[in-house]
This record gives sequence, C-alpha cells and structure tokens, in this order.
Amino acid sequence: DTEVTQTPKHLVMGMTNKKSLKCEQHMGHRAMYWYKQKAKKPPELMFVYSYEKLSINESVPSRFSPECPNSSLLNLHLHALQPEDSALYLCASSPGLAAPYEQYFGPGTRLTVT
Amino acid sequence: AQRVTQPEKLLSVFKGAPVELKCNYSYSGSPELFWYVQYSRQRLQLLLRHISRESIKGFTADLNKGETSFHLKKPFAQEEDSAMYYCALSGNLGAGNMLTFGGGTRLMVKP
Repeated sequence: DTEVTQTPKHLVMGMTNKKSLKCEQHMGHRAMYWYKQKAKKPPELMFVYSYEKLSINESVPSRFSPECPNSSLLNLHLHALQPEDSALYLCASSPGLAAPYEQYFGPGTRLTVT
Repeated sequence: AQRVTQPEKLLSVFKGAPVELKCNYSYSGSPELFWYVQYSRQRLQLLLRHISRESIKGFTADLNKGETSFHLKKPFAQEEDSAMYYCALSGNLGAGNMLTFGGGTRLMVKP
C-alpha cells in the first residue's frame, strides 16, 4: 500500500464542537506531518512527528492537538476552532527526517468551521 | 532562513508551446529542490527532484546554484499539464529536513 489515507473527506463543525481528523499510512514511514492549506496558497507546516514523538510544532494554537498513537496513524484533535481555521488539512509521511526524502501526501480533509 | 519564490501566480500557454515555471530559492546550505504538482481534485504529488535528474512527463528542472534557481521546463505543453505547481526546498530546520514551499504557479494550457 503506497498511499496516505485521510478521513473524513469533508467536515463541518461548529465553534464549540470537538472533532478529530485521522491519517493512516502503511508504507513503514517513520515521519508524519500535518499541513494546513488555504485556498490558492501553499501548504503550511503545522506539526511533525518522528518515530511517534512530536518533533516540530510550528507555533500552532492549542485548539489543534496532534496525536500519534502508533507508527501508522496520526490524528489531529480539534476543539473550539474559529471560522478562520476553515481550510484543507493535509497529512503527509516520509521514510524519516534525517535526509531530504520525498513526502507522500494524503488527499486532505476539507474543514469548514461555522 | 530558507525561502522559495515563484514569481508567477498564473501562467497561461497554448498547447504545444514551451513552458517554463520559475523558482528561486535562498538557503545557506546545500539545498535539495523538488517540484510538486496538484492536479484538479487530486492529491499533491512529487513531480521531480533535482538529485535524480530525471525527466518526468516531459518536464525537466536544473538546479543553478549560481542563480539560486530551479526552473521547471517542458518543450511542448499538453492540456493535461494544467495544474498547480509548487517548488519546494528541503533544508534542515534544526529537527530534520523540512519542506518549504513556494507560493505556487497555476499552469493553464489552452487548446
């Protein structure tokens, strides 16, 4: 399996809701990433996990909470989001962080905060 | 700091015309450069990377360290090349090699 999968494809949530985004890969990759992509903009890095440990947090607000339960799975827990958080959330994976590997991207979850 | 600049937001050409998507970077170390492509309703995917020196779908890109550029070229554009193209640089952000994306160029190939 050479794909990164993400669920759900679309999510609409209110500002008081709690929801989670899920990302999965079975390529044996040890680095996983969350990006946020606004319309007509490049992806912006949010978090990086390496060997299931948080490696980078790009000053993301605490209403976004990542979790890496195992080497194949990456979650992003959402709570008390703002309308400006509406975006496409992309997950990616790569073999590791020590070298400039290609990153494999999932199709994204399109999030709308109402 | 590492930075990637794609000066054109939109590039429109006719089918069969040559295409050049520009990318300039700034990075103090030895960079690894990539081109990623996002076709309509598809995921972001790697098109090519400079170290492999491949030609993918007729596209090539040469790293010019003197001009700090990594322009993407194709001699004859096809309609199916219409997509969003991102140039990206992999550099060490202290905790491993991370991708920094340029702003992207939308390529439209007209029939």
